[in-house]
Amino acid sequence: AQSVAQPEDQVNVAEGNPLTVKCTYSVSGNPYLFWYVQYPNRGLQFLLKYITGDNLVKGSYGFEAEFNKSQTSFHLKKPSALVSDSALYFCAVRDNNGGGFKTIFGAGTRLFVKA
Amino acid sequence: GAGVSQSPSNKVTEKGKDVELRCDPISGHTALYWYRQRLGQGLEFLIYFQGNSAPDKSGLPSDRFSAERTGESVSTLTIQRTQQEDSAVYLCASSPTSSHRETQYFGPGTRLLVL
Repeated sequence: AQSVAQPEDQVNVAEGNPLTVKCTYSVSGNPYLFWYVQYPNRGLQFLLKYITGDNLVKGSYGFEAEFNKSQTSFHLKKPSALVSDSALYFCAVRDNNGGGFKTIFGAGTRLFVKA
Repeated sequence: GAGVSQSPSNKVTEKGKDVELRCDPISGHTALYWYRQRLGQGLEFLIYFQGNSAPDKSGLPSDRFSAERTGESVSTLTIQRTQQEDSAVYLCASSPTSSHRETQYFGPGTRLLVL
């Protein structure tokens, strides 16, 4: 069965510092991995996804994520955090081996960036 | 272009009443998803529609929940005999196709409160 874990409920960073939001997954087939962001009072927005190819994926707003097959991880990163990055971040996974059309979302990690 | 829209944005109802939530997907998107997001939790898959194929209803929590979609347009999620535990934000998403690679585009959600 598919599953996603975001081990941190909250991440606090200072503006200008690098940030990492962790995600690990479990699937039976090849994973398709996604990061979405939810700003206050707004819907979820797509950030980036890994389908195949280069393990380092670059997305919107300067975010990137690295697919690590051996560690089954897909951590979200940004070299220099902005206060405006403060939001709720969700990691999600689908697989191509009987997972159907479900996308499994993690519980979310709240990012606070302090000025 | 127009994104996914949902109505109402907020709904307060009394326990035992029926409610109907509406989703208008992005024009041309063949796939449509409903999710539930309880306070402080991740997204819970409810149901998936793809064109004229039979929907994937495997995430519906009970027979009080049902959903319909007219062709590749509007979808309605109906909750009968609402219970307090149904209180949540109900999110709708659409994607151009049902491919596992596709990004989902989310609406702003309907916040349901059952008193």
